[in-house]
Amino acid sequence: QVQLVESGGGVVQPGRSLRLSCVASGFTVSSFGMHWVRQAPGKGLEWVAVISYDGYNKYYADSVKGRFTISRDTSKNTLFLQMNSLRDEDTAVYYCAKDRQAAAGTGLDSWGQGTPVTVS
Amino acid sequence: DIQMTQSPSSLSASVGDRVTITCRASQSVSNFLNWYQQKPGKAPRLLIYGAYNLISGVPSRFSGSGSGTDFTLTISSLQREDFATYYCQQSFNTPDTFGPGTKVDFK
Repeated sequence: QVQLVESGGGVVQPGRSLRLSCVASGFTVSSFGMHWVRQAPGKGLEWVAVISYDGYNKYYADSVKGRFTISRDTSKNTLFLQMNSLRDEDTAVYYCAKDRQAAAGTGLDSWGQGTPVTVS
Repeated sequence: DIQMTQSPSSLSASVGDRVTITCRASQSVSNFLNWYQQKPGKAPRLLIYGAYNLISGVPSRFSGSGSGTDFTLTISSLQREDFATYYCQQSFNTPDTFGPGTKVDFK
């Protein structure tokens, strides 16, 4: 059974850093593209970043480019999001999600429960 | 970046109603268009991928159509458990942008 469990969220001051983790089970992160998506309080979904199934390609939303870094540890089957220079507007629930297929563009078919980040 | 819009932003409906939500892309996304359902406090759930392909386990009252820039999600007969917010998402180009959402609530 596919499961994604995020952790690492919390309250942090502006300008500081935070590292989110997402432990995957029931599949291997090296077989699928993995994404981070966030949702600010009372707002819609915002795509944040993706790492391709082979780990070679990483893409970011303009709003986080240069501040956030997506990575993975295949030995731990875990996805990460390193968030630096945090801003008030980064306050959100952060979800990790899995591509439906190895090839990108086929939808995000499994999501974690989300981890809240508050920048204040 | 490709911009996504949805209409309406919210709608009120009753059980048994037919509901249609529209999603428009600022440029063609071919059929790389996905639909999600989200309930309060929960993670989104993928309903439809590739514009019209129903995810296994999703009730057949949900359907999707469209290609290029204009897409539609239809719920043929709204059920109580369908009251939620629905988002479209294009996965044609990175960033994989979401629409602003359509909230479906009780009339």
